[in-house]
Amino acid sequence: AQTVTQSQPEMSVQEAETVTLSCTYDTSESDYYLFWYKQPPSRQMILVIRQEAYKQQNATENRFSVNFQKAAKSFSLKISDSQLGDAAMYFCAYRSSKYNFNKFYFGSGTKLNVKP
Amino acid sequence: DTAVSQTPKYLVTQMGNDKSIKCEQNLGHDTMYWYKQDSKKFLKIMFSYNNKELIINETVPNRFSPKSPDKAHLNLHINSLELGDSAVYFCASSPGVGSKNIQYFGAGTRLSVL
Repeated sequence: AQTVTQSQPEMSVQEAETVTLSCTYDTSESDYYLFWYKQPPSRQMILVIRQEAYKQQNATENRFSVNFQKAAKSFSLKISDSQLGDAAMYFCAYRSSKYNFNKFYFGSGTKLNVKP
Repeated sequence: DTAVSQTPKYLVTQMGNDKSIKCEQNLGHDTMYWYKQDSKKFLKIMFSYNNKELIINETVPNRFSPKSPDKAHLNLHINSLELGDSAVYFCASSPGVGSKNIQYFGAGTRLSVL
């Protein structure tokens, strides 16, 4: 079964600084999708960014970008110019594009603290 | 105009009771899900339905029974509640196919079993 690992239970960053959250995954498939979700204290899970494995170019969404290393099975999230509103739990997720493509696998989450 | 709405947001009940959580999505998605998030924030899938048909059924006690009357609704009924059932339960939906198969989540239901 696919597994998603987030090795950093908690991280802190100063406002306006840059922080990188790590995610690794295990799969034997070549085609899949990766996601980062944000869960603020309100509990609402919000999609931050997604990456298709067949695309070599790293996805970016405003201040959020990923470093996708397919061979290393690594998918880190970089948050630039951190803001207080970025404080949340961040979950990395994997989904196959072919087999059981409705099943999403989530990591255990990283709690991000943003210091003013 | 909430995309995925679940009710109630909070549920406090006694051990042994039976309770239901409702979920509705207005996104026109074919697939809906129930997740359980425990106190350590770990998010675990429980069930998934595609067009009212059960497609994912993880190792969940049979006290938990999902019901999908139509593809826009997926309810979760829990019998004989136990202390360990205390968690946040999330409903989600997705289109079901292709590159746009992204999950959209409800705001969660915090269940506390006393």
